[in-house]
Amino acid sequence: DVKVTQSSRYLVKRTGEKVFLECVQDMDHENMFWYRQDPGLGLRLIYFSYDVKMKEKGDIPEGYSVSREKKERFSLILESASTNQTSMYLCASSLQGYGQTQYFGPGTRLLVL
Amino acid sequence: AQSVTQLGSHVSVSEGALVLLRCNYSSSVPPYLFWYVQYPNQGLQLLLKYTSAATLVKGINGFEAEFKKSETSFHLTKPSAHMSDAAEYFCAVTSGGYGGSQGNLIFGKGTKLSVKP
Repeated sequence: DVKVTQSSRYLVKRTGEKVFLECVQDMDHENMFWYRQDPGLGLRLIYFSYDVKMKEKGDIPEGYSVSREKKERFSLILESASTNQTSMYLCASSLQGYGQTQYFGPGTRLLVL
Repeated sequence: AQSVTQLGSHVSVSEGALVLLRCNYSSSVPPYLFWYVQYPNQGLQLLLKYTSAATLVKGINGFEAEFKKSETSFHLTKPSAHMSDAAEYFCAVTSGGYGGSQGNLIFGKGTKLSVKP
């Protein structure tokens, strides 16, 4: 079974703090993704990576950065957290290629005060 | 451009009734289509996937979906709802991207299913 794990299920941070969200997958997948999920807006892609050290912006990259130093790990960084970044963050991974299934982690619910 | 529209942000059915969740897509290339389910405070789990092998796709938990190219639809059905089906359901289509973005998906906004006893 594919397993995608995220470092925290719930996180509370203060405005202006630097926040790290970690995601690890154990299936040797090339692709990894970070989404944020907000009520009524569905899933929106923040960043994705198709190889180690490669990263591409998604639909809403502003205020975020990512790091992929190892194939199994993909980190999302909020450089200076703001209240409008309060959300559910979902990590996913997949094999490379068209039409591959994405496998999701359990999500991190982030509250920025 | 690829897009997905899920009709109805909330659907409520009685236990034992038919479940029908609607999904329409737009795609400039032959699509792969997905339905995912999300239970409260969890990640998304794959229900089923259309890969052009068969237009009627059977998934887990008794769900199935039919690909209708002429209607650009991929509606999800289950003959008899169970209380445990209460969750949010997402339809997704391949993004049609190239190179590194081949694996990207476009998600609908989701439909929350409630099941009344």
